[in-house]
Amino acid sequence: NAGVTQTPKFRILKIGQSMTLQCTQDMNHNYMYWYRQDPGMGLKLIYYSVGAGITDKGEVPNGYNVSRSTTEDFPLRLELAAPSQTSVYFCASSYGRGSKNIQYFGAGTRLSVL
Amino acid sequence: QKEVEQDPGPLSVPEGAIVSLNCTYSNSAFQYFMWYRQYSRKGPELLMYTYSSGNKEDGRFTAQVDKSSKYISLFIRDSQPSDSATYLCAMSPQEQAGTALIFGKGTTLSVSS
Repeated sequence: NAGVTQTPKFRILKIGQSMTLQCTQDMNHNYMYWYRQDPGMGLKLIYYSVGAGITDKGEVPNGYNVSRSTTEDFPLRLELAAPSQTSVYFCASSYGRGSKNIQYFGAGTRLSVL
Repeated sequence: QKEVEQDPGPLSVPEGAIVSLNCTYSNSAFQYFMWYRQYSRKGPELLMYTYSSGNKEDGRFTAQVDKSSKYISLFIRDSQPSDSATYLCAMSPQEQAGTALIFGKGTTLSVSS
Protein backbone atom coordinates (compact mmCIF):
# COMPACT_ATOMS: atom_id res chain seq x y z
CA ASN A 1 0.00 0.00 0.00
CA ALA A 2 2.32 2.77 -1.31
CA GLY A 3 0.19 5.94 -0.86
CA VAL A 4 2.21 8.97 -2.01
CA THR A 5 5.68 8.25 -3.36
CA GLN A 6 8.32 10.93 -3.91
CA THR A 7 11.64 10.63 -5.70
CA PRO A 8 14.46 11.37 -5.20
CA LYS A 9 14.83 11.42 -1.40
CA PHE A 10 17.89 13.67 -1.49
CA ARG A 11 19.48 15.89 -4.11
CA ILE A 12 22.24 18.46 -4.28
CA LEU A 13 22.05 20.98 -7.12
CA LYS A 14 24.37 23.69 -8.29
CA ILE A 15 23.00 27.20 -8.78
CA GLY A 16 21.33 27.47 -12.17
CA GLN A 17 20.75 23.74 -12.65
CA SER A 18 17.29 22.36 -13.19
CA MET A 19 15.54 19.26 -11.91
CA THR A 20 12.17 17.59 -11.58
CA LEU A 21 10.82 16.26 -8.30
CA GLN A 22 8.58 13.30 -8.94
CA CYS A 23 5.35 12.52 -7.09
CA THR A 24 2.99 9.59 -7.64
CA GLN A 25 -0.09 8.55 -5.69
CA ASP A 26 -2.05 5.31 -5.96
CA MET A 27 -5.17 6.34 -4.00
CA ASN A 28 -7.06 7.72 -7.02
CA HIS A 29 -7.14 11.17 -5.39
CA ASN A 30 -8.23 14.08 -7.54
CA TYR A 31 -6.34 16.74 -5.60
CA MET A 32 -2.58 16.94 -5.32
CA TYR A 33 -0.30 19.48 -3.69
CA TRP A 34 3.32 20.56 -3.43
CA TYR A 35 4.63 22.11 -0.23
CA ARG A 36 7.99 23.28 0.94
CA GLN A 37 9.00 23.15 4.58
CA ASP A 38 11.75 25.33 5.99
CA PRO A 39 12.92 25.11 9.62
CA GLY A 40 10.50 26.91 11.94
CA MET A 41 8.40 28.13 9.01
CA GLY A 42 5.79 25.42 8.67
CA LEU A 43 4.42 24.11 5.38
CA LYS A 44 4.01 26.56 2.50
CA LEU A 45 1.90 25.63 -0.51
CA ILE A 46 3.72 25.97 -3.84
CA TYR A 47 1.20 24.62 -6.37
CA TYR A 48 -1.84 22.42 -6.34
CA SER A 49 -3.99 20.53 -8.83
CA VAL A 50 -7.68 19.62 -8.68
CA GLY A 51 -7.47 17.09 -11.49
CA ALA A 52 -5.58 16.08 -14.60
CA GLY A 53 -4.83 19.13 -16.72
CA ILE A 54 -5.76 21.65 -14.00
CA THR A 55 -3.17 23.37 -11.83
CA ASP A 56 -3.05 26.57 -9.80
CA LYS A 57 -0.59 28.61 -7.80
CA GLY A 58 -0.27 28.45 -4.07
CA GLU A 59 1.44 30.83 -1.66
CA VAL A 60 5.04 30.56 -2.99
CA PRO A 61 5.00 29.57 -6.71
CA ASN A 62 7.90 31.68 -8.00
CA GLY A 63 10.75 29.62 -9.42
CA TYR A 64 8.64 26.47 -9.83
CA ASN A 65 6.43 24.89 -12.46
CA VAL A 66 4.05 21.95 -12.42
CA SER A 67 2.04 19.82 -14.79
CA ARG A 68 -0.63 17.18 -14.26
CA SER A 69 -1.15 14.90 -17.24
CA THR A 70 -2.52 11.94 -15.25
CA THR A 71 -4.45 11.48 -12.01
CA GLU A 72 -1.48 9.66 -10.46
CA ASP A 73 1.45 11.96 -11.23
CA PHE A 74 2.22 15.55 -10.25
CA PRO A 75 5.85 16.50 -10.96
CA LEU A 76 7.41 19.74 -9.70
CA ARG A 77 10.00 21.43 -11.91
CA LEU A 78 12.76 23.77 -10.79
CA GLU A 79 14.16 25.54 -13.84
CA LEU A 80 17.02 27.69 -12.49
CA ALA A 81 17.89 26.51 -9.03
CA ALA A 82 18.72 29.18 -6.46
CA PRO A 83 20.02 28.86 -2.87
CA SER A 84 16.62 30.14 -1.65
CA GLN A 85 15.11 26.89 -2.94
CA THR A 86 17.09 24.83 -0.46
CA SER A 87 14.29 23.15 1.49
CA VAL A 88 12.38 19.95 2.11
CA TYR A 89 9.64 19.40 -0.45
CA PHE A 90 6.50 17.41 0.29
CA CYS A 91 3.89 16.16 -2.12
CA ALA A 92 0.41 15.43 -0.80
CA SER A 93 -2.94 14.26 -2.13
CA SER A 94 -6.58 14.30 -1.05
CA TYR A 95 -10.01 13.31 -2.38
CA GLY A 96 -11.19 16.90 -2.55
CA ARG A 97 -11.96 19.94 -0.47
CA GLY A 98 -13.80 20.55 2.80
CA SER A 99 -14.59 17.25 4.51
CA LYS A 100 -12.55 15.42 1.85
CA ASN A 101 -9.49 17.58 2.38
CA ILE A 102 -7.58 15.10 4.54
CA GLN A 103 -4.17 15.25 2.93
CA TYR A 104 -1.78 12.33 2.76
CA PHE A 105 1.90 13.14 2.46
CA GLY A 106 4.91 11.57 0.86
CA ALA A 107 8.20 11.13 2.71
CA GLY A 108 9.72 14.26 1.19
CA THR A 109 12.63 15.31 -1.00
CA ARG A 110 15.49 17.06 0.74
CA LEU A 111 17.08 19.54 -1.69
CA SER A 112 20.22 21.60 -1.27
CA VAL A 113 21.23 24.24 -3.80
CA LEU A 114 24.88 25.25 -3.54
CA GLN B 1 -2.55 38.37 12.85
CA LYS B 2 -1.62 35.08 11.23
CA GLU B 3 -4.46 32.80 10.24
CA VAL B 4 -3.26 29.95 12.47
CA GLU B 5 -1.01 30.39 15.49
CA GLN B 6 0.83 27.52 17.13
CA ASP B 7 3.47 27.71 19.84
CA PRO B 8 6.60 26.15 18.32
CA GLY B 9 7.97 24.93 21.64
CA PRO B 10 10.14 22.96 22.07
CA LEU B 11 8.19 21.15 24.74
CA SER B 12 10.02 18.63 26.92
CA VAL B 13 8.18 16.29 29.28
CA PRO B 14 8.98 13.10 31.21
CA GLU B 15 7.48 9.79 30.19
CA GLY B 16 3.95 9.36 31.50
CA ALA B 17 3.13 13.08 31.53
CA ILE B 18 -0.03 14.57 30.07
CA VAL B 19 0.76 16.82 27.14
CA SER B 20 -1.40 19.66 25.87
CA LEU B 21 -0.77 21.13 22.42
CA ASN B 22 -2.77 24.09 21.18
CA CYS B 23 -3.59 26.23 18.18
CA THR B 24 -5.61 29.39 17.79
CA TYR B 25 -7.09 30.64 14.55
CA SER B 26 -8.79 33.74 13.22
CA ASN B 27 -10.93 32.51 10.31
CA SER B 28 -14.43 31.57 11.49
CA ALA B 29 -15.01 29.70 8.21
CA PHE B 30 -12.83 26.78 9.32
CA GLN B 31 -14.97 23.69 9.87
CA TYR B 32 -12.56 20.74 9.68
CA PHE B 33 -9.67 20.38 12.08
CA MET B 34 -6.75 18.01 11.97
CA TRP B 35 -3.62 17.15 13.85
CA TYR B 36 -0.64 15.76 12.00
CA ARG B 37 2.40 14.13 13.56
CA GLN B 38 5.77 14.47 11.86
CA TYR B 39 8.75 12.42 12.92
CA SER B 40 12.22 13.73 12.15
CA ARG B 41 13.03 13.49 8.44
CA LYS B 42 9.60 12.05 7.62
CA GLY B 43 6.42 13.38 6.04
CA PRO B 44 3.45 14.52 8.16
CA GLU B 45 0.94 11.78 8.96
CA LEU B 46 -2.66 12.32 10.01
CA LEU B 47 -3.22 11.71 13.71
CA MET B 48 -6.69 13.11 14.46
CA TYR B 49 -9.57 14.59 12.43
CA THR B 50 -12.59 16.41 13.84
CA TYR B 51 -15.51 18.31 12.37
CA SER B 52 -16.78 21.52 14.00
CA SER B 53 -16.82 21.80 17.80
CA GLY B 54 -16.47 18.96 20.26
CA ASN B 55 -14.12 16.24 21.42
CA LYS B 56 -12.75 13.15 19.76
CA GLU B 57 -10.78 10.44 21.50
CA ASP B 58 -8.50 7.81 20.00
CA GLY B 59 -6.53 5.77 22.49
CA ARG B 60 -4.19 8.09 24.38
CA PHE B 61 -5.04 11.04 22.14
CA THR B 62 -7.92 13.48 22.53
CA ALA B 63 -8.67 16.34 20.14
CA GLN B 64 -10.84 19.24 21.26
CA VAL B 65 -12.32 22.03 19.18
CA ASP B 66 -13.85 25.18 20.65
CA LYS B 67 -15.14 27.20 17.73
CA SER B 68 -16.53 29.96 19.95
CA SER B 69 -13.00 30.67 21.17
CA LYS B 70 -11.32 29.69 17.88
CA TYR B 71 -9.10 27.31 19.79
CA ILE B 72 -8.15 23.68 19.22
CA SER B 73 -6.19 21.31 21.44
CA LEU B 74 -4.55 17.93 21.31
CA PHE B 75 -4.06 16.05 24.57
CA ILE B 76 -1.69 13.13 24.90
CA ARG B 77 -2.12 10.95 27.98
CA ASP B 78 0.61 8.72 29.39
CA SER B 79 3.12 10.17 26.93
CA GLN B 80 5.78 7.82 25.57
CA PRO B 81 9.23 8.44 24.07
CA SER B 82 7.73 7.31 20.74
CA ASP B 83 5.49 10.41 20.89
CA SER B 84 8.56 12.59 20.40
CA ALA B 85 7.81 14.42 17.14
CA THR B 86 6.56 17.69 15.72
CA TYR B 87 2.79 18.12 15.88
CA LEU B 88 1.10 20.33 13.29
CA CYS B 89 -2.45 21.55 13.51
CA ALA B 90 -4.32 22.05 10.25
CA MET B 91 -7.74 23.35 9.35
CA SER B 92 -9.97 23.64 6.31
CA PRO B 93 -13.12 25.58 5.40
CA GLN B 94 -16.29 24.13 3.84
CA GLU B 95 -16.10 22.71 0.31
CA GLN B 96 -17.32 25.86 -1.40
CA ALA B 97 -14.68 28.02 0.26
CA GLY B 98 -11.71 26.59 -1.57
CA THR B 99 -9.04 23.97 -1.36
CA ALA B 100 -6.70 25.42 1.23
CA LEU B 101 -5.62 23.40 4.23
CA ILE B 102 -3.99 25.91 6.55
CA PHE B 103 -1.21 24.56 8.77
CA GLY B 104 0.25 25.84 12.00
CA LYS B 105 4.03 25.97 12.15
CA GLY B 106 4.20 22.93 14.44
CA THR B 107 5.14 22.23 18.05
CA THR B 108 8.17 20.05 18.71
CA LEU B 109 7.64 17.59 21.57
CA SER B 110 10.32 15.57 23.32
CA VAL B 111 9.35 12.84 25.78
CA SER B 112 12.21 11.54 27.93
CA SER B 113 12.28 8.09 29.51
